[in-house]
Amino acid sequence: QLHLQESGSGLVKPSQTLSLTCSVSGGSLQNGIYSWSWLRQSPGKGLEWIGYIYHGGSTSYNPSLQSRVTMSVDRSQNQVSLKMYSMTAADTALYYCARSSLSVFDTWGQGIMVTVSS
Amino acid sequence: DIQMTQSPSSLSASVGDRVTITCQASQDIANYLNWYQQKPGKAPKLLIYDASNLQVGVPSRFSGSGSGTHFTFTISRLQPDDIATYYCQQYDDFYSFGQGTTLEIK
Repeated sequence: QLHLQESGSGLVKPSQTLSLTCSVSGGSLQNGIYSWSWLRQSPGKGLEWIGYIYHGGSTSYNPSLQSRVTMSVDRSQNQVSLKMYSMTAADTALYYCARSSLSVFDTWGQGIMVTVSS
Repeated sequence: DIQMTQSPSSLSASVGDRVTITCQASQDIANYLNWYQQKPGKAPKLLIYDASNLQVGVPSRFSGSGSGTHFTFTISRLQPDDIATYYCQQYDDFYSFGQGTTLEIK
């Protein structure tokens, strides 16, 4: 059974960079029909898609975040990673990774709370 | 950007009731719409895809309909386990979600 687990920095200072990793178990990143998405959820903005990456490294990002986001894949570790730059308090949210197709997010991690504060 | 507007934002109903939630898209999205259920402290769970198709393993009391800009999500007979927040999500242009409908038991 596919399992996704987010890990990384839960507390980030303003202007600094968020780094998160999603570890995939019970399945391979290399199933080419799926992409691997990052989403976030906050009381102010609700659920927001950040972007996705395929195992080959091709990406698509939310246009509103594109200038501050980079995703990467480590096929040897079965992991995908998210970096978000120039963090502000508005980026405080619960961050999820999820398996995605062209249309749905069908398997989600449990999420990791990220707080931006000095 | 495609904006998704759900109504109502919250809803109180009794066990056994028929419950309906609507989702309006800011432009025509054909049937490119999904519905998710989120219970407190948990990640969202896919219930309905392509507006009306039930995800494997989801009880048949859940259903969806609609196309274009107007969509409906229905629980035919509300069960206590259905207490959650429900979200619609479009995938016609990138991805965006409605603001959610919180369902409570009366």
